Amino acid sequence: AQSVTQLDSHVSVSEGTPVLLRCNYSSSYSPSLFWYVQHPNKGLQLLLKYTSAATLVKGINGFEAEFKKSETSFHLTKPSAHMSDAAEYFCVVSGSGNMLTFGGGTRLMVKP
Amino acid sequence: EPEVTQTPSHQVTQMGQEVILRCVPISNHLYFYWYRQILGQKVEFLVSFYNNEISEKSEIFDDQFSVERPDGSNFTLKIRSTKLEDSAMYFCASSLTRDSPLHFGNGTRLTVT
Repeated sequence: AQSVTQLDSHVSVSEGTPVLLRCNYSSSYSPSLFWYVQHPNKGLQLLLKYTSAATLVKGINGFEAEFKKSETSFHLTKPSAHMSDAAEYFCVVSGSGNMLTFGGGTRLMVKP
Repeated sequence: EPEVTQTPSHQVTQMGQEVILRCVPISNHLYFYWYRQILGQKVEFLVSFYNNEISEKSEIFDDQFSVERPDGSNFTLKIRSTKLEDSAMYFCASSLTRDSPLHFGNGTRLTVT
């Protein structure tokens, strides 16, 4: 069985400041982990993917995430937030047959 | 970039009615999925489909649900007799291989009254 916990349901940052969205996972085997983003009235867009090649994964739009097995974490970061980053972010773990287990989502708000 | 497209974007139906949600996956993808998100809850897996048959399904995917790939391009989710609790956003997704990332559509918001 696997599960994902996103530690913050809402995060608010000012434009130009760093972003940290926290995610912890539980999996009985070596997982594939993803971050997806959902802008209003849009579908889920893949930000980045971890599949055991490198622990620091770079994604689109300047986002990156670090896989820490000892902490069972896969936090998403960005050095400098942009207004267009305001969206809902989902941490996801993949199980057998590409069955995805989603976290509860974190709504990122970016203040001018 | 190729996209997964879903129609309609919003569907309202009465309890007990049948509804069909439609999806056009990315053309060279071989694996197809339906997920749903009830308002305020997590996105949940419903079913995966490969080679014209269901690969995996969740407990949510009971006899009221069915999926079909009626032609070479469409992938549909049918709910035979809708209940109020079926109201949710339904996402279709596709992937090239069993292990490659899923590409999601924009979703169909189903409202059952």
